[in-house]
Amino acid sequence: DAGVTQSPTHLIKTRGQQVTLRCSPKSGHDTVSWYQQALGQGPQFIFQYYEEEERQRGNFPDRFSGHQFPNYSSELNVNALLLGDSALYLCASSSGTGGRPEAFFGQGTRLTVV
Amino acid sequence: RKEVEQDPGPFNVPEGATVAFNCTYSNSASQSFFWYRQDCRKEPKLLMSVYSSGNEDGRFTAQLNRASQYISLLIRDSKLSDSATYLCVVFVSGGYNKLIFGAGTRLAVHP
Repeated sequence: DAGVTQSPTHLIKTRGQQVTLRCSPKSGHDTVSWYQQALGQGPQFIFQYYEEEERQRGNFPDRFSGHQFPNYSSELNVNALLLGDSALYLCASSSGTGGRPEAFFGQGTRLTVV
Repeated sequence: RKEVEQDPGPFNVPEGATVAFNCTYSNSASQSFFWYRQDCRKEPKLLMSVYSSGNEDGRFTAQLNRASQYISLLIRDSKLSDSATYLCVVFVSGGYNKLIFGAGTRLAVHP
């Protein structure tokens, strides 16, 4: 039973560029949430996808967008990268259909913007 | 005020010690509570779920006080391998599985 997988694990980008991060949820899970974790901070909620739609969004600018595919996998896109976007990006999967709300995380993508 | 607040620590304790972390939350509609453990540069991993007044799993005990809106985590007989950051997490419903994380409490267990 595969857990949550994310790719790539590490990424270096230049300011102004665009990046796409990918996530495959745990088997049986249909909800994907994305978090940004800066050094020394707890994960901050970016948005959540369920049934291919953005269900809820945290306090992040429109430069952050996402997508969920029919197989429940998801992408996070960040445009016009800023130095401050450097962080660990975590994908969490859970069940959105009345199941227990525990979320399980992928290993994360460490993004460095230079 | 942050939605979930934790003492950042670090808590430096010797092996075998008992250590307790507290966490307060501001949203009285919060329904479920969790403690996650996060090792340096790794992803958070679920340690305990707290659905009622508390939960115990081996050396770990979590307690919930809804009236005072705080959750605690007690670790008995600390091991070196317990060294990590412990994240307090609150689940707020309203139809969505939204988890709100505290900034974490760092624990360092030394010989």
